[in-house]
Amino acid sequence: EAGVTQFPSHSVIEKGQTVTLRCDPISGHDNLYWYRRVMGKEIKFLLHFVKESKQDESGMPNNRFLAERTGGTYSTLKVQPAELEDSGVYFCASSLQPGAGYGYTFGSGTRLTVV
Amino acid sequence: DQQVKQNSPSLSVQEGRISILNCDYTNSMFDYFLWYKKYPAEGPTFLISISSIKDKNEDGRFTVFLNKSAKHLSLHIVPSQPGDSAVYFCAASGGSNYKLTFGKGTLLTVNP
Repeated sequence: EAGVTQFPSHSVIEKGQTVTLRCDPISGHDNLYWYRRVMGKEIKFLLHFVKESKQDESGMPNNRFLAERTGGTYSTLKVQPAELEDSGVYFCASSLQPGAGYGYTFGSGTRLTVV
Repeated sequence: DQQVKQNSPSLSVQEGRISILNCDYTNSMFDYFLWYKKYPAEGPTFLISISSIKDKNEDGRFTVFLNKSAKHLSLHIVPSQPGDSAVYFCAASGGSNYKLTFGKGTLLTVNP
């Protein structure tokens, strides 16, 4: 079974530019999550999709961040325009059922550096 | 406002000895706790979990202890192996039960 795939693995962009991160969950996993780790800090929840619907986006930092999940399959996270404080590692995770008890599977993350 | 705290940024132990990683939480609504292990350039990998109705859960070399009155949990690894060297994250969930709140992580180094 293929795991959660994220790309790119690294992205370096200038402040003010736009970047789009992509996540392909495990096939059949309706639940998809985005998390972010800013250097030296904890991994923080951004949002949760159930199929194509946003179940909870309370962790999204501001309206420069836009997440979509087309057809309930892959998801994209767009940052526009990027700011220096957006630098960090963005993780995607998926699960068959919602709930921490079902054990998310995380992708390897996208390391975003805004210069 | 950190709701899950891992106060030790790093821990170094000898191979074969016990590793004890600690985690404290402040939110009384948390009812499920997990430990994740993370190697460089990889995503977190689920290790072991415990529900608030239990005070201990064991899986091979890994045991998690939960002290609800102290709002404290710990992960014991016995015996520690060099391959256990990684960053360990404590995480908690509650209420909606799908959002994880993580600590900052503890870097464990097991020396041969």
